[in-house]
Parts: sequence; structure tokens; C-alpha cells
Amino acid sequence: DGGITQSPKYLFRKEGQNVTLSCEQNLNHDAMYWYRQDPGQGLRLIYYSQIVNDFQKGDIAEGYSVSREKKESFPLTVTSAQKNPTAFYLCASSPRDRGYEAFFGQGTRLTVV
Amino acid sequence: GQNIDQPTEMTATEGAIVQINCTYQTSGFNGLFWYQQHAGEAPTFLSYNVLDGLEEKGRFSSFLSRSKGYSYLLLKELQMKDSASYLCAVRGGSGGYNKLIFGAGTRLAVHP
Repeated sequence: DGGITQSPKYLFRKEGQNVTLSCEQNLNHDAMYWYRQDPGQGLRLIYYSQIVNDFQKGDIAEGYSVSREKKESFPLTVTSAQKNPTAFYLCASSPRDRGYEAFFGQGTRLTVV
Repeated sequence: GQNIDQPTEMTATEGAIVQINCTYQTSGFNGLFWYQQHAGEAPTFLSYNVLDGLEEKGRFSSFLSRSKGYSYLLLKELQMKDSASYLCAVRGGSGGYNKLIFGAGTRLAVHP
């Protein structure tokens, strides 16, 4: 079945460590997105990519980095520069950069210990 | 830039109708989306509007007025399972780049 997969579902990180969240889709979608959600809040855009080897900063990109070397994959690295990384991270993809709805993965809950 | 506003919380009675409003400002507009999100889960797509007017899909309808920067989601025959957050999202931007930006969400509580 086609879908978008995030792993792991739960992740614990020691303060000061970098960590990479995986996002893979087999829907042949061009656009991919990373969002952060804090308790009781909406989704805030971290990075997005409309095509392979190209990505753009969202509203809260500081302390995060991404790559888009393959159409199917859009990993997010949470670096030690991110001061408050504990959050629910959601990856999404859409068939093209306009018009079509975004499909979400099940999310990764990152906790810094 | 882009800005999306929607009420923080709403309550309604089972079987009733509720309307959730969303106003937005964006440089460039390529569609408005409504999503439902239950606590701890990923958002799921409900509706999409790109032209003015009403889109109906079962118990859910969504309306758009581009000139007013306004949309609403209408939920009919409310059920307890409709208790969730409802997120308004706008696709827009400039320079050939289209962001998908979400509002903070409206938490809807349906009570018997």
C-alpha cells in the first residue's frame, strides 16, 4: 500500500545531541514538508521541498536541517542548536506544489532528556 | 507573509450544527484546506477549496470567499467522535514557492 512513513514513533535524545527523523513516501509525491506541533498548538512549518535537491526554510527553521537527495525521502535533523526540541514532529507530502492535499505520516514524538 | 486566524475552542451538542470560521492573509493563494486532528494523531484531510463557494462532502461542508480571505467549515449532525481539533491551512507564497501554512486549530468539544 502507498503511504508516508515516519520513524521512529518515539525518540529520546540527550541534551546536546543531534538526532535525525526519518520520512519516506512511496506515493510519488513531489512536495514534502516538516512540521512541529507543541501541546495544544497548531502545526508550524520547519522546512519544505518542492523537488529533489531543493528545499526552503519555513517559519521556524533555526536549529534544524534537511536534505532531499531522493524523491521518496526527506529526513529532518534536529541539531543541538535547537533550544527547545521536545515536540511532536509531522512529515507530509503532496502530489504537486499546488492544488492537492497533503498526506501526513503518523508523527515522531521527540523528547529531550 | 501569511497569517491564519481561527477560534481556539468551540463547544456544541450532539446532533447539532457547528460552523468553524477561518480568516487568512497570504501573498499568493493556491487553495485552502481543512483537516481534522484527534489528540496525539496525525491530521486527516477533510476538504479543499480553491474557488469561491461551497463544497459539500457528506456531513462536512466548506465555504470560501477569496475576496474576503474567509472560509468556514460546517459540520452537521454532530457526533461524539467529531470532538477533535480542526485545522485551517492555506497554500500560498511567492517567487514560485508554495508553502502550506496551518492555523493554530480550533478544538471542538461535542457533548451529549
